Amino acid sequence: EVQLLESGGGLVQPGGSLRLFCAASGFTFSSYAMSWVRQAPGKGLEWVSAISGSDGSTYYADSVKGRFTISRDNSRNTLYLQMNSLRAEDTAVYYCAKDLLSSSWYYFDCWGQGTLVTVSS
Amino acid sequence: DIQMTQSPSSLSASVGDRVTITCRASQSISTYLNWYQQKPGKAPKFLIYVASSLQSGVPSRFSGSGSGTDFTLTISSLQPEDFATYYCQQSYSTPPTFGQGTKVEIK
Repeated sequence: EVQLLESGGGLVQPGGSLRLFCAASGFTFSSYAMSWVRQAPGKGLEWVSAISGSDGSTYYADSVKGRFTISRDNSRNTLYLQMNSLRAEDTAVYYCAKDLLSSSWYYFDCWGQGTLVTVSS
Repeated sequence: DIQMTQSPSSLSASVGDRVTITCRASQSISTYLNWYQQKPGKAPKFLIYVASSLQSGVPSRFSGSGSGTDFTLTISSLQPEDFATYYCQQSYSTPPTFGQGTKVEIK
């Protein structure tokens, strides 16, 4: 069974940093692109960033480019999101999501339970 | 970026009703269109991909259609567990973008 488990969320002051983790199991992690998708309280879904399975290609939403860094450790089956220079508008539940096929991008067939990031003084 | 617009934003329906949700893309996306269901406090669930392919395990009362810029999600006979918010999402180009959501409520 595919499982994704996020952690690392919490309360942080504006301008601060936080690192999110997503532990994956039940599939060949290195074969699949992975993404982070966020949802502000009471709002819709917003894609944040994606990383390829093996060659390390990364992509970012304009709203986080230059502040967030996505990475992965295929030996640990773990996805990361390093978030710097956090703003109030980054407050959201952050989900990690797996792609449907090893050759696909942006077909989010499995999601974690989410981790809440709150940016506030 | 490709903008995705859903209509309606919300609807009220009864168990057994046929429900249709529309999603429109700001430019042609072929059939690179996916649908998700989200219940309060839960992660989204993947329902349909490439406009009309049903994800494994999803009930056959859900169906999708469309191509180009106009797409629909249809629930043929609404069940109590289907009351949720539904999102469309394009996977045609980066960044992938979602519609604003359609909340399906009990009438």
